[in-house]
Amino acid sequence: AQTVTQSQPEMSVQEAETVTLSCTYDTSENNYYLFWYKQPPSRQMILVIRQEAYKQQNATENRFSVNFQKAAKSFSLKISDSQLGDTAMYFCAFMTLGNNDMRFGAGTRLTVKP
Amino acid sequence: ETGVTQSPTHLIKTRGQQVTLRCSSQSGHNTVSWYQQALGQGPQFIFQYYREEENGRGNFPPRFSGLQFPNYSSELNVNALELDDSALYLCASSRNTNSYNEQFFGPGTRLTVL
Repeated sequence: AQTVTQSQPEMSVQEAETVTLSCTYDTSENNYYLFWYKQPPSRQMILVIRQEAYKQQNATENRFSVNFQKAAKSFSLKISDSQLGDTAMYFCAFMTLGNNDMRFGAGTRLTVKP
Repeated sequence: ETGVTQSPTHLIKTRGQQVTLRCSSQSGHNTVSWYQQALGQGPQFIFQYYREEENGRGNFPPRFSGLQFPNYSSELNVNALELDDSALYLCASSRNTNSYNEQFFGPGTRLTVL
């Protein structure tokens, strides 16, 4: 079974500091995609960053970057220079190539403190 | 460019009733996916519609059904409601069936079953 595990239900960070959210996944597939989604208190989910499993280079989007360790099946999200607007639920998600069943983890609630 | 919209925002039903939730996809998107997000959990994939046909289904019983219309808007129908159906229902649209392309989520419909 393909599963996604986020072991940190809640985290907090001071404004301007760096925080890392953890995610591990389980699959026997070789071609897949990994995602981090942000769900602010207003509920609308937005894509933060995406990583293709065939790419060795870690994805980066401005203050957001990932540490993708394929052998360890680990996909952590690093948020640099945290801002108050980063406060949200963060979901790690996984999908295999050619399959539209996206699997989500249970989420990590991140609070950025002023 | 109009984003994904969902209606209604909130809904209260009783066990055994039927419910219809609606989703308007983002302009230019022909694919709609539906997710169920129980409280404190990540979204679970229900099914996807592409060009008015079901194009993949998660582990949900047949009483969860859907439609997609020529304008690519979509409905989720749930018959014989159960207490465990209480959740936030999210729809997401994308440009094609390959959901590794960015999915844009709506704000969700909060369904409460009493």
